[in-house]
Amino acid sequence: DTEVTQTPKHLVMGMTNKKSLKCEQHMGHRAMYWYKQKAKKPPELMFVYSYEKLSINESVPSRFSPECPNSSLLNLHLHALQPEDSALYLCASSQVTGGGQPQHFGDGTRLSIL
Amino acid sequence: GEDVEQSLFLSVREGDSSVINCTYTDSSSTYLYWYKQEPGAGLQLLTYIFSNMDMKQDQRLTVLLNKKDKHLSLRIADTQTGDSAIYFCAEIETGANNLFFGTGTRLTVIP
Repeated sequence: DTEVTQTPKHLVMGMTNKKSLKCEQHMGHRAMYWYKQKAKKPPELMFVYSYEKLSINESVPSRFSPECPNSSLLNLHLHALQPEDSALYLCASSQVTGGGQPQHFGDGTRLSIL
Repeated sequence: GEDVEQSLFLSVREGDSSVINCTYTDSSSTYLYWYKQEPGAGLQLLTYIFSNMDMKQDQRLTVLLNKKDKHLSLRIADTQTGDSAIYFCAEIETGANNLFFGTGTRLTVIP
């Protein structure tokens, strides 16, 4: 069982829709991450939040907009996505940032763009 | 930390040991992780090791690190069908935020 919960598990949306992915953890972790994973590929980092502040944006297009309302929640707002954005979106958290704190992943949201 | 390599496939018979290999590039202080991904699921943390260690054992899992060759291996003893999954090694430098993943090794356990 994962301690990082992501909703929804699956999402199908058109290119003009606006939707949000949600991630929640109650482990007291102060670092949270969004990753994108294409089929048969490893995850790639998108965003890092540290103490509710955005610390890394890996040159992600503005049609992806992250938000960290509090230390337990992380959202990813989606707007005007492209078919190539179809992927598994994974959320992770760790005690703090820095390599010595392992990142714990949720089960992901599988996103399909029509 | 961007060149983390793994072989793509491994097949073993149930009950045998599996050895999954990984090479990495960073020479500074580095943490090395092993994650397991089952179909349709996220990544499950299995174990991790710091680059000043040689070995770590946790139940059926043994991690070996050859610092000179920058080679990391994960040995699974008494492999079971439930171990069939994709295994990712990943590295991250001390103080960094970006976890660099290998390509993943698909382990198939034959009953």
